[in-house]
Amino acid sequence: AQKVTQAQTEISVVEKEDVTLDCVYETRDTTYYLFWYKQPPSGELVFLIRRNSFDEQNEISGRYSWNFQKSTSSFNFTITASQVVDSAVYFCALSDGYGGSQGNLIFGKGTKLSVKP
Amino acid sequence: DTGVSQDPRHKITKRGQNVTFRCDPISEHNRLYWYRQTLGQGPEFLTYFQNEAQLEKSRLLSDRFSAERPKGSFSTLEIQRTEQGDSAMYLCASSFAPGTYPEQFFGPGTRLTVL
Repeated sequence: AQKVTQAQTEISVVEKEDVTLDCVYETRDTTYYLFWYKQPPSGELVFLIRRNSFDEQNEISGRYSWNFQKSTSSFNFTITASQVVDSAVYFCALSDGYGGSQGNLIFGKGTKLSVKP
Repeated sequence: DTGVSQDPRHKITKRGQNVTFRCDPISEHNRLYWYRQTLGQGPEFLTYFQNEAQLEKSRLLSDRFSAERPKGSFSTLEIQRTEQGDSAMYLCASSFAPGTYPEQFFGPGTRLTVL
């Protein structure tokens, strides 16, 4: 069965602290995609990153970085030097099949990040 | 703005009434998805279309729910005989799949409140 687990329900940090959001997934497919989305208080889900199962390279984009490890079925997200604007709910999601051919995304329950000034 | 749009943004209805939501996807996307999100949870898949064809329906989609995408462009989601348990945010997303970039882009959602 496919499943995404985000064990951290809420995290609170002070501005400029680094924070890591954990994501563990389960799938029987050998081809799959992983995603992170941000949902700010306004409510609209914003796509952050995609990673396919054949690419275990870590990625850095500005203050954001992602660590994908197939051996532990994890796809963790780190924000360096957090800012108040990073406050949001972050969702990890899984899609099976080549190019997302299986269609639907399976989401975790999300981690609510609060960054205090 | 060429993002995904949804209408209405908010809907308040009485139990037993029918409601219909509309979603306009990103124009070049062939796939359109509907999800439901309740407070404190991640979005849950309801159904998706590839062009006009409805390819998959979740078991969450009871007989009271129906979705259409008649010309492969916009889609409607209708809920008949609404129940209080239908209160949720209904999200629409679109993508171009299968392909190298299968990420789904979401609209702002329609928040349904059933009294």
